[in-house]
Amino acid sequence: EPEVTQTPSHQVTQMGQEVILRCVPISNHLYFYWYRQILGQKVEFLVSFYNNEISEKSEIFDDQFSVERPDGSNFTLKIRSTKLEDSAMYFCASRGRQGQETQYFGPGTRLLVL
Amino acid sequence: AQSVTQPDIHITVSEGASLELRCNYSYGATPYLFWYVQSPGQGLQLLLKYFSGDTLVQGIKGFEAEFKRSQSSFNLRKPSVHWSDAAEYFCAVRGYNTNAGKSTFGDGTTLTVKP
Repeated sequence: EPEVTQTPSHQVTQMGQEVILRCVPISNHLYFYWYRQILGQKVEFLVSFYNNEISEKSEIFDDQFSVERPDGSNFTLKIRSTKLEDSAMYFCASRGRQGQETQYFGPGTRLLVL
Repeated sequence: AQSVTQPDIHITVSEGASLELRCNYSYGATPYLFWYVQSPGQGLQLLLKYFSGDTLVQGIKGFEAEFKRSQSSFNLRKPSVHWSDAAEYFCAVRGYNTNAGKSTFGDGTTLTVKP
């Protein structure tokens, strides 16, 4: 069964550094998402991406964040200058075409900002 | 705006006992509803989903959920809990949207299973 994959599984970085989290969505999916989960808290929506542009973003997704689909397979989340409060599990998700309603989540990347 | 409430932060049941986890949602139209399970340090596994049709949906691992429009609820049930069911359970709602379709999650319910 096709899966969403994410790399790395864990990343430790220093405050102020840039990080790029990578995701490979399920092939032929058209809608892509990033969510985050701060330890012990609920999963929060960050951004959705369709047709090579952002469809919707939350208030969390400020100017420090950006997303990109640089080629036909990868979907990346960049945090330009990490803060301590960016420490969280980041989940990528993808969904097929309109009418295919299930979002498939990746295993997550645990980001720790020191 | 869509929202989800999971009233129970923590539930403890004995192994073999029945389980019901509550979920109430708020959305302007018929939503898409999901239950996910998360083991410590792991990702989100989809248990079941409701889009339309039969309001009682069956999922994996013996779980089922019932959509009740009048109560805006989508409670998760299991007749006999196993120790391996101990985990965090999240209810999520997603509205119909052409391009976005973000999911909104509840705060989660932590399930502890007593031997």
